[in-house]
Amino acid sequence: DIQMTQSPSTLSASVGDRVTITCRASQSISSWLAWYQQKPGKAPNLLISKASSLESGVPSRFSGSGSETEFTLTISSLQADDYATYYCEQYHTYATFGQGTKVEVK
Amino acid sequence: EVQLVESGGDLVQPGGSLRLSCAVSGFTFTNHWMHWVRQAPGKGLVWVSRIKSDGSITDYVDSLKGRFIISRDNAKNTLYLQMNSLRVEDTAVYYCGRSRDGGSYFDYWGQGTLVTVSS
Repeated sequence: DIQMTQSPSTLSASVGDRVTITCRASQSISSWLAWYQQKPGKAPNLLISKASSLESGVPSRFSGSGSETEFTLTISSLQADDYATYYCEQYHTYATFGQGTKVEVK
Repeated sequence: EVQLVESGGDLVQPGGSLRLSCAVSGFTFTNHWMHWVRQAPGKGLVWVSRIKSDGSITDYVDSLKGRFIISRDNAKNTLYLQMNSLRVEDTAVYYCGRSRDGGSYFDYWGQGTLVTVSS
């Protein structure tokens, strides 16, 4: 099974900060990686697929990069609406999610 | 407008069974693999199962094989999850999700339905 490890688990940041979340795969997954945002009581929302392809309607301050086993999600300038939990997901073999990164107010 | 609406969540005793449904609209159901993903209270997301567009292929997370059964009725645009021998640790919100391009990532999700397993 492919394991996904996200870091950090919690991140404290202020509006306007640049935020970076890392996701590591236990084996190579090429670029078969997605990122989601989830707010309390809501379903996740797809932000990025294939490691770096931004979904339609997602603000351009979100970006993804990486390949093989190392991936990052970057928010270039954090906005108030971005406080949420973020998950990576590999879909190279079935699907496995990372444990999540909660972005909270500093 | 794409919509996925889950139903069937309930309080059930350990060892019991439950069937979840996910009614979809706004897209061609038969063009997409469909999935179930669950989230225990305060915990992360766990992929549970998937089914091919024509129902011919099903896959499950190893820990749930043999207890859960995914199915679909393409005439009714509905996805199902039959859950048997339920355990306390199956307590979670269950989401149905649509995948795109044949890859198991989810561009649309339902709102979720809560399953509580408790005596």
